[in-house]
Amino acid sequence: KNEVEQSPQNLTAQEGEFITINCSYSVGISALHWLQQHPGGGIVSLFMLSSGKKKHGRLIATINIQEKHSSLHITASHPRDSAVYICAGYNTDKLIFGTGTRLQVFP
Amino acid sequence: KAGVTQTPRYLIKTRGQQVTLSCSPISGHRSVSWYQQTPGQGLQFLFEYFSETQRNKGNFPGRFSGRQFSNSRSEMNVSTLELGDSALYLCASSSSPGGEQYFGPGTRLTVT
Repeated sequence: KNEVEQSPQNLTAQEGEFITINCSYSVGISALHWLQQHPGGGIVSLFMLSSGKKKHGRLIATINIQEKHSSLHITASHPRDSAVYICAGYNTDKLIFGTGTRLQVFP
Repeated sequence: KAGVTQTPRYLIKTRGQQVTLSCSPISGHRSVSWYQQTPGQGLQFLFEYFSETQRNKGNFPGRFSGRQFSNSRSEMNVSTLELGDSALYLCASSSSPGGEQYFGPGTRLTVT
């Protein structure tokens, strides 16, 4: 069992839909990162959080420390949101990555 | 500020050779981490450096090594290349260990 699990692995949505990607972890972490990777490889950091909730534009990230669970929400999804979303937990001086969620948003 | 730069961007090597990859972090960032990305294994942690000290190393053989210089630039070296080392190698810098990661564009290594 991976120390950081994501679901779903693949997600398709129609433009405008509300999207949720889930991340669960089984090890202690000091912070949880959400990353976005577009085709072609470039990775962008979306959020780093250790408690509560953060919002940036249409993106919202939440974390529940007790339940060891984080969610990434995309409101009013758009085709440009199509990418792979990766969560990663920072544990003992290293990032442990989930396997990623491939999101496709259709017009 | 300029972003994280990695050189070279693409590299083709033969089995048994060695390779050195370079990473220049964002100005002022003292922490540099390296990651390997493959279709089969996804993203995996290689090393984390802070102020020229390796803080941790991932589960990779000793053929993988790295270092960080006093200007925070970092290099990683892979000796005796194997076909399975073909991957995208990414470095990321942050202002402190475990902080928000700023990724470079990666070096795509192909071993033939």
